[in-house]
Amino acid sequence: NAGVTQTPKFQVLKTGQSMTLQCAQDMNHEYMSWYRQDPGMGLRLIHYSVGAGITDQGEVPNGYNVSRSTTEDFPLRLLSAAPSQTSVYFCASSNPGANVLTFGAGSRLTVL
Amino acid sequence: QKEVEQDPGPLSVPEGAIVSLNCTYSNSAFQYFMWYRQYSRKGPELLMYTYSSGNKEDGRFTAQVDKSSKYISLFIRDSQPSDSATYLCAMARSGGSYIPTFGRGTSLIVHP
Repeated sequence: NAGVTQTPKFQVLKTGQSMTLQCAQDMNHEYMSWYRQDPGMGLRLIHYSVGAGITDQGEVPNGYNVSRSTTEDFPLRLLSAAPSQTSVYFCASSNPGANVLTFGAGSRLTVL
Repeated sequence: QKEVEQDPGPLSVPEGAIVSLNCTYSNSAFQYFMWYRQYSRKGPELLMYTYSSGNKEDGRFTAQVDKSSKYISLFIRDSQPSDSATYLCAMARSGGSYIPTFGRGTSLIVHP
């Protein structure tokens, strides 16, 4: 049982490049979300999804795009990377009513 | 003012000490209260979960919720160097989509 799997673990981008952070879960969870974690800022919600085909914005959505075509996968796309997007990104999942999140191991992104 | 306030620390204690970690909140609609533990370069993992007010104990860990004061605590007895981590509080409303609100996290260092 893998839980929540994030790839890649590390990535370095140049300003203006685009990329996709992958997230997959094998627990049949309906709810999936993306957070970024920066020193002193805690976890900030970027986008979330309550089921396949349904996504919504969180606290800091600008510069990011998501889609949810299957229950298992929730990729996060950076459209045109900026140095301000240098961060550690976490994907999480849960079932409504379960009230606990299962997190992935994180993806460390550096934008030069 | 953020909905959830948590002192980022760091909090440095000697091995064997009793540790008290705290969060305050402003939204009286919060009903579910969680503590996550995050080791360096890892994703957060659920440590304690409580519903409404009261105490919950699990081994060396005790979670306490005081809804009248909008204050939650996590106590660690006989602290160990392996408890060194960042502890994040999280809270959620009842009903609807599950979107927790996180504190910024408190960094705990237990030195031998």
